[in-house]
Amino acid sequence: QVQLQESGPGLVKPSETLSLTCTVSGYSISTNYYWAWFRQPPGKGLEWIGSFYYNENTYYSSSLKSRVTISLDTSKTQFSLILTSVTPTDTAVYYCARRQGTWDINWWDPWGQGTLVTVSS
Amino acid sequence: DIVMTQSPHSLPVTPGEPASISCRSSQSLLLRNGYNYLDWYLQKPGQSPQLLIYLNSIRASGVPDRFSGSGSGTEFTLEISRVEAEDVGVYYCMQNLQNPLTFGGGTKVEIK
Repeated sequence: QVQLQESGPGLVKPSETLSLTCTVSGYSISTNYYWAWFRQPPGKGLEWIGSFYYNENTYYSSSLKSRVTISLDTSKTQFSLILTSVTPTDTAVYYCARRQGTWDINWWDPWGQGTLVTVSS
Repeated sequence: DIVMTQSPHSLPVTPGEPASISCRSSQSLLLRNGYNYLDWYLQKPGQSPQLLIYLNSIRASGVPDRFSGSGSGTEFTLEISRVEAEDVGVYYCMQNLQNPLTFGGGTKVEIK
C-alpha cells in the first residue's frame, strides 16, 4: 500500500527558502505516475502548487512559478518542494499526493497527512 | 484557469436525512471520451483530504454507497442519501481536467 509522508521545518523566516520532502513508501517514484504538491493556508481552501511525471515535464502554478521548484530525489523514493523568498502568505499545511490510473481514467489518491509550515520572524 | 464555485458554503444536516452540495465550473469538464473530470473530497477536522468520488460519479475504494456524484459539463452535485455523524467536515470539488488543478471553496457540513 502506497503511503506518503511530508517532512520539513515547521518554521521559516520571511525572505528565506522553504524546503519540504515527500517520502514515498510502498512504491517507486520512477514509474509512470504523476506526483504533486498542494497547500492549504490555515482555515482556507486547497491550492495546487505543481505536478510532475517521472522523467518528463514539471508543471507549476502560474502564481508560484517564479519561486517554486519540484524535483525528484535520486534515491527515487522522495520528491521535494523548494519555495524561495517566502512571506507570511506562504504559511500553510503542505500536502503531497499521487495520481493513480491511466491517461484518461485517473484520480489523486493517496495524499500525505500534511505538514504545517509557518513563515514568521 | 478553470474557476470552481461551490454552494452552499455551510450546510447544517440532520442525521438520517439527505444532503446535497453543488459545484459549478467555469468551463466544461466533459471530454469526448464521455468522462467529466470532476472529483469530490472530504476533509475531516484535522485530517488531509480524502477522495470520495472521481470522474464525476465513480466512488473511490471504501467509500460508502450513500455518497453519489452526478452532473455533466459545468454543473455537478454530490449527494449523501442519509447523513451520518462521521460525514461532518468540509467537502471540496476539484477539476482534474487540466493544470492548474483548481478547487471549489468548500462546503462545511455539520450536524444540527
